[in-house]
Amino acid sequence: AQSVTQPDIHITVSEGASLELRCNYSYGATPYLFWYVQSPGQGLQLLLKYFSGDTLVQGIKGFEAEFKRSQSSFNLRKPSVHWSDAAEYFCAVTKTSYDKVIFGPGTSLSVIP
Amino acid sequence: DGGITQSPKYLFRKEGQNVTLSCEQNLNHDAMYWYRQDPGQGLRLIYYSQIVNDFQKGDIAEGYSVSREKKESFPLTVTSAQKNPTAFYLCASTLGQGRLGEQYFGPGTRLTVT
Repeated sequence: AQSVTQPDIHITVSEGASLELRCNYSYGATPYLFWYVQSPGQGLQLLLKYFSGDTLVQGIKGFEAEFKRSQSSFNLRKPSVHWSDAAEYFCAVTKTSYDKVIFGPGTSLSVIP
Repeated sequence: DGGITQSPKYLFRKEGQNVTLSCEQNLNHDAMYWYRQDPGQGLRLIYYSQIVNDFQKGDIAEGYSVSREKKESFPLTVTSAQKNPTAFYLCASTLGQGRLGEQYFGPGTRLTVT
């Protein structure tokens, strides 16, 4: 069965520090990959997506993610975190653009001023 | 501005009562979804609909029902058969088949059943 794991339940970083959130997936072929962000008590917003091509994708709010087929990973990065980045981050995967989306359990990010 | 609205934001019900959560979108999206979110469990799919008058069960459909009489609306009813209904419920939509991963979410409804 397809699955998505986010090994870190909670991460705390200082404002201005770099950030990397990990995501690993279990699929038979190259999936479609996504990162979503959820502010407290709100819905989710799409940060970025990977379908094919360049394995480094840029998203909104200064985020980027890198697809590594050999590691079945799609880690999210940001070079300098802002206090407003504190939120829950979800990695998601779908087998094709027609299949349902599988969400990871989420990583909660706290930012220290 | 286009978007998805969910009402109310907070909902309180007594055990044994059915309750209906509203979801409306003006994005002209074909497909709509209901998810349940519990702490530490990510999002779990309850029901989804790809066209009007048609819908499919997701992973945790037991105790829930939906209808899709209009493209813009996809209400979710939490029935008394749902054993643990207290949760945060999220509605989402996508443009249609071929764009399932790019979902637009509403602000959610937090349901508390006592």
